[in-house]
Amino acid sequence: EDQVTQSPEALRLQEGESSSLNCSYTVSGLRGLFWYRQDPGKGPEFLFTLYSAGEEKEKERLKATLTKKESFLHITAPKPEDSATYLCAVLNNAGNMLTFGGGTRLMVKP
Amino acid sequence: ETGVTQSPTHLIKTRGQQVTLRCSSQSGHNTVSWYQQALGQGPQFIFQYYREEENGRGNFPPRFSGLQFPNYSSELNVNALELDDSALYLCASSPIAGGQETQYFGPGTRLLVL
Repeated sequence: EDQVTQSPEALRLQEGESSSLNCSYTVSGLRGLFWYRQDPGKGPEFLFTLYSAGEEKEKERLKATLTKKESFLHITAPKPEDSATYLCAVLNNAGNMLTFGGGTRLMVKP
Repeated sequence: ETGVTQSPTHLIKTRGQQVTLRCSSQSGHNTVSWYQQALGQGPQFIFQYYREEENGRGNFPPRFSGLQFPNYSSELNVNALELDDSALYLCASSPIAGGQETQYFGPGTRLLVL
């Protein structure tokens, strides 16, 4: 059974204070690891897909990296509008089911 | 390009009732997946539909059922509602089933069971 654990559960940062969110996973065969951003009461918004260890992707202040056991979402010089819950998920071997972690709730104060 | 849409946005039902939630997939996508998200938790996979047939199911009882139509839109039906069914129900579409495709989510339907 695929498992995903995210840490920390909540993170408070000052504007401009860089940090990283962790996603640890166990899967029978990694088809893909996905990062989503979710604002309160809304659906998850796609950020990145990573397929193999060593892969990195960037978008504005966000950078996602992947190893064989975990993924990191690095946030550089965050702004208050980056405040959201960040979800990590892995795609199962059948390629149909995403298994999500519990998310990290990020709060960036001005 | 139209994204994933869901209706209704909010719904209030009483225990024992039945509910139908609807989803229109993103343009060009033929696969629809449904997830349940309880407050403060990550989404949980209910099932996926591809070519109008169920293509995988999570750990949910049979009173959760679905349909997919020829235009790739989909319905989620829940019978005999229980208080624990209160959650955000998310629909996601992807271009194809069984690959490595990204699933794109709709805004969700918030269901409250009293």
